[in-house]
Amino acid sequence: GAGVSQSPSNKVTEKGKDVELRCDPISGHTALYWYRQSLGQGLEFLIYFQGNSAPDKSGLPSDRFSAERTGGSVSTLTIQRTQQEDSAVYLCASSLGVTNNEQFFGPGTRLTVL
Amino acid sequence: SQQGEEDPQALSIQEGENATMNCSYKTSINNLQWYRQNSGRGLVHLILIRSNEREKHSGRLRVTLDTSKKSSSLLITASRAADTASYFCATGPIQGAQKLVFGQGTRLTINP
Repeated sequence: GAGVSQSPSNKVTEKGKDVELRCDPISGHTALYWYRQSLGQGLEFLIYFQGNSAPDKSGLPSDRFSAERTGGSVSTLTIQRTQQEDSAVYLCASSLGVTNNEQFFGPGTRLTVL
Repeated sequence: SQQGEEDPQALSIQEGENATMNCSYKTSINNLQWYRQNSGRGLVHLILIRSNEREKHSGRLRVTLDTSKKSSSLLITASRAADTASYFCATGPIQGAQKLVFGQGTRLTINP
């Protein structure tokens, strides 16, 4: 497809389990972003990848959160030992990487931690 | 920390009326963007206005930017039921990382 895709669309897990969320950006986009959105709230920046540069991890809320971007394309966000407060919609976006360019968002993964 | 703050948090109007949403920010910016979100899922880019621009139009959308007041407004004219959504402003800093900083959003409801 031409857009950003994310999987799974919904994930229900038990407290303490690890989860992996996947993002496939638009082909050719060098920048990739992860955001988190709690119910009725704005977007909280998590992490940003730009080409081969070291990622900007300044938004990750704890060391239970990590992300990788393999081959400059697909990215995986991993949350270890999930907590109930991790429940949110996790949104991925990609852009051409030009300064402050338009970001294209995926449909998100709704994570529910029981 | 959140840079942009939208005002109002919620807005409900009749179909056909105009809707105005405002965004304020704190630091110097390269540009400001407006996004729409339906049903709490992916965001859709609406319009980008650069720091040296004062007004921009796209269809029924009109965006203004006042860098001296660090504020922007989004006007939707002749609103339709399909315009019901949350609207977010996002600011792009002049220096540093390319990441955008999003506000908390305005929830717009268009009543038929």
